[in-house]
Amino acid sequence: AQSVAQPEDQVNVAEGNPLTVKCTYSVSGNPYLFWYVQYPNRGLQFLLKYITGDNLVKGSYGFEAEFNKSQTSFHLKKPSALVSDSALYFCAVRDNSNYQLIWGAGTKLIIKP
Amino acid sequence: GAGVSQSPSNKVTEKGKDVELRCDPISGHTALYWYRQSLGQGLEFLIYFQGNSAPDKSGLPSDRFSAERTGGSVSTLTIQRTQQEDSAVYLCASGEGQSPYNEQFFGPGTRLTVL
Repeated sequence: AQSVAQPEDQVNVAEGNPLTVKCTYSVSGNPYLFWYVQYPNRGLQFLLKYITGDNLVKGSYGFEAEFNKSQTSFHLKKPSALVSDSALYFCAVRDNSNYQLIWGAGTKLIIKP
Repeated sequence: GAGVSQSPSNKVTEKGKDVELRCDPISGHTALYWYRQSLGQGLEFLIYFQGNSAPDKSGLPSDRFSAERTGGSVSTLTIQRTQQEDSAVYLCASGEGQSPYNEQFFGPGTRLTVL
């Protein structure tokens, strides 16, 4: 069965430190992987995606994600966290033969000053 | 340009009443999705429209839920005889074409509370 796992409900990071939000997936065929962010009282926003090519994908707001096929992971990273990065982050995967997105449960990221 | 809009932003209703939620997608987007997000949960797929094709209703939780999309643009999600477990944020998203690697653009959601 296809699935996405975000093993951490919440991640706490001090401002200025690097951050990682984890995501692992299980899907048949080549995966198309996405990260979305949901700021408080705002809609979901697209951050970045992996389709093919370089395993390191750069996205909005200084975020990047690394696709690791052998570990079936797509962890979200940022070298230096900002308080304004505090939000709910969702990982999603779509099979190349299926238009539906399979969503993780979300990880709440809290950046402390 | 204008993003995806949804109305109302908040809806409080009594158990047993019908509600209609509206979504205006980004102009030109042929794909339209409805999701439900319960507190502390991820997104639950409800229904998908693509152009003039028959919608994929496989995510609708019961026959009390229905949706239509008029003229390939505006969509309405209807919940009949609402139940307390229907309380959630209902999100609409639109996208370009049918490619599996196109991102979705989300509206702000409608928060539904069933008393």
